[in-house]
Amino acid sequence: EDKVVQSPLSLVVHEGDTVTLNCSYEVTNFRSLLWYKQEKKAPTFLFMLTSSGIEKKSGRLSSILDKKELFSILNITATQTGDSAIYLCAVSDYKLSFGAGTTVTVRA
Amino acid sequence: GAVVSQHPSWVICKSGTSVKIECRSLDFQATTMFWYRQFPKQSLMLMATSNEGSKATYEQGVEKDKFLINHASLTLSTLTVTSAHPEDSSFYICSARVAAGGYYEQYFGPGTRLTVT
Repeated sequence: EDKVVQSPLSLVVHEGDTVTLNCSYEVTNFRSLLWYKQEKKAPTFLFMLTSSGIEKKSGRLSSILDKKELFSILNITATQTGDSAIYLCAVSDYKLSFGAGTTVTVRA
Repeated sequence: GAVVSQHPSWVICKSGTSVKIECRSLDFQATTMFWYRQFPKQSLMLMATSNEGSKATYEQGVEKDKFLINHASLTLSTLTVTSAHPEDSSFYICSARVAAGGYYEQYFGPGTRLTVT
């Protein structure tokens, strides 16, 4: 059975801090790893990482994929209160398997 | 990114009635859509994979006669919760898959909060 483990489960930081979120996985037929941000509604897409795209960056968010060690990291620099959310990691073979998520709270 | 809509965004129904939720891909065609449910403070649980023009594939433990899925066109999938009971109250989210450079990105609708009284 596919397995996706995120850590930590939750964390609280202050504005301006840097946050690092971890995602490790065991998947039979790995195709890609996706990061999502979930606030009050459904998840919004952040990044997709694949064998041919193991590093992505968008503004203050960046992510890397280590296919050898089977993990990914999502970094958020210079955090803002608007970054408060649940961050979900999902691994795709044909369908997505989600981790439990990391709840990030950014205090002003 | 691709846009997926869901309707309604929330619904309250009485026990024993049926509720239909629509999922539409607005600016692309989706041969495959997925239906998830999410309980408070839990991650998304895949219920079924909806394929245009064929029967849905249900995950283990999901009753196909209770959660009817129809993917009648390349932009519309529907989930009908039949004979709803309070334990069916949940947040239901659909997603659609988009081909991207040999891989698939997956975009989610805004979700439907179902409350069964």
